[in-house]
Amino acid sequence: ETGVTQSPTHLIKTRGQQVTLRCSSQSGHNTVSWYQQALGQGPQFIFQYYREEENGRGNFPPRFSGLQFPNYSSELNVNALELDDSALYLCASSLAATGSYGYTFGSGTRLTVV
Amino acid sequence: GNSVTQMEGPVTLSEEAFLTINCTYTATGYPSLFWYVQYPGEGLQLLLKATKADDKGSNKGFEATYRKETTSFHLEKGSVQVSDSAVYFCALSDRGGSNYKLTFGKGTLLTVNP
Repeated sequence: ETGVTQSPTHLIKTRGQQVTLRCSSQSGHNTVSWYQQALGQGPQFIFQYYREEENGRGNFPPRFSGLQFPNYSSELNVNALELDDSALYLCASSLAATGSYGYTFGSGTRLTVV
Repeated sequence: GNSVTQMEGPVTLSEEAFLTINCTYTATGYPSLFWYVQYPGEGLQLLLKATKADDKGSNKGFEATYRKETTSFHLEKGSVQVSDSAVYFCALSDRGGSNYKLTFGKGTLLTVNP
């Protein structure tokens, strides 16, 4: 059973650029959630995808967008990068949108915006 | 809205000392409660969980009891090891629309010295 895989592990971008982060969910999981973890803080919910549809969103602007593919992998896209977007981005997959069977987290993508 | 408050760190203990990390929560419904651990440079790992009042979650010597009357879920371990050094996050999962996003505390850094 493979876990959650995220790529790339580290990324440096310039303010104003766009970035795409990728996540392969754990085998058998149909739900992917994305979280932003700023340095020294707890993760903050960005949004969730369930069966290729957005299924809830946190307090993040529209320049944060996502996709889920038929194989349940997912992308997080951030446009017009700002310095405050520098953070660890975590992907979590689960068997159902309720998370009742638990969430499995990836190791994250460390994004630095300069 | 939902929120989690956990004790400020950092916490520094000697090996074999007793550990308590306090966590209290605010939720509108009947949340599930979790403790996650994050080792340096890694993502989050589920340590233990409890889904209803008076449930006790336990794993690897760690325990936490879901106390609805005090809205608390304190993490305890009787004898810590150097390998327990990590950041610990208390979290809750409660229904927000059609999904059960996780709401995290800010984390508590634990350092165990030999």
